[in-house]
Amino acid sequence: GESVGLHLPTLSVQEGDNSIINCAYSNSASDYFIWYKQESGKGPQFIIDIRSNMDKRQGQRVTVLLNKTVKHLSLQIAATQPGDSAVYFCAENMKTSYDKVIFGPGTSLSVIP
Amino acid sequence: KAGVTQTPRYLIKTRGQQVTLSCSPISGHRSVSWYQQTPGQGLQFLFEYFSETQRNKGNFPGRFSGRQFSNSRSEMNVSTLELGDSALYLCASSLDTETGYGYTFGSGTRLTVV
Repeated sequence: GESVGLHLPTLSVQEGDNSIINCAYSNSASDYFIWYKQESGKGPQFIIDIRSNMDKRQGQRVTVLLNKTVKHLSLQIAATQPGDSAVYFCAENMKTSYDKVIFGPGTSLSVIP
Repeated sequence: KAGVTQTPRYLIKTRGQQVTLSCSPISGHRSVSWYQQTPGQGLQFLFEYFSETQRNKGNFPGRFSGRQFSNSRSEMNVSTLELGDSALYLCASSLDTETGYGYTFGSGTRLTVV
């Protein structure tokens, strides 16, 4: 199968602090990127997306930054809350491959109350 | 608005058996994709269906197959189960298949092969 990595990086942050989760994507032809949040026992949930013609997009408490030069994506969560504890996946999608979405290995975020 | 529904939620099968998993997409969504999630390999793309046609396929053996019905509901089948097939199988549906927008996942089917 197509996947990246075997080990799940972990990030621990204090409640109220900002979190930054990083992701390196694999294909320079990818033109659409998505961040997902997966809580235990649930499927991945859409957080925010960004197209390759943008370098920044903001949502509610979340910001995604895209650096195409180094194929890097980051998710910033402001004022992290205990409910933000989950595994976060970045995903890339190539328009020419329709809905074939390739996921990164994920990052486990733990929020310390 | 109902989300993506996957049945059953949990399944235990014996090695060598076959299994069929079901996915009902969000109403109006015509694209359904399947993923396998394991701790060691992460989320891996299995296949994608649109209007009853398989448009994309990942790098899985032929034991993994799927289909989509005229109402967009989809099934995936795994024949001759192996221990390594134990995983969470996720289905996702989307509305705008040309751009990849609106990709919504179900809660998955947890398959255990013993």
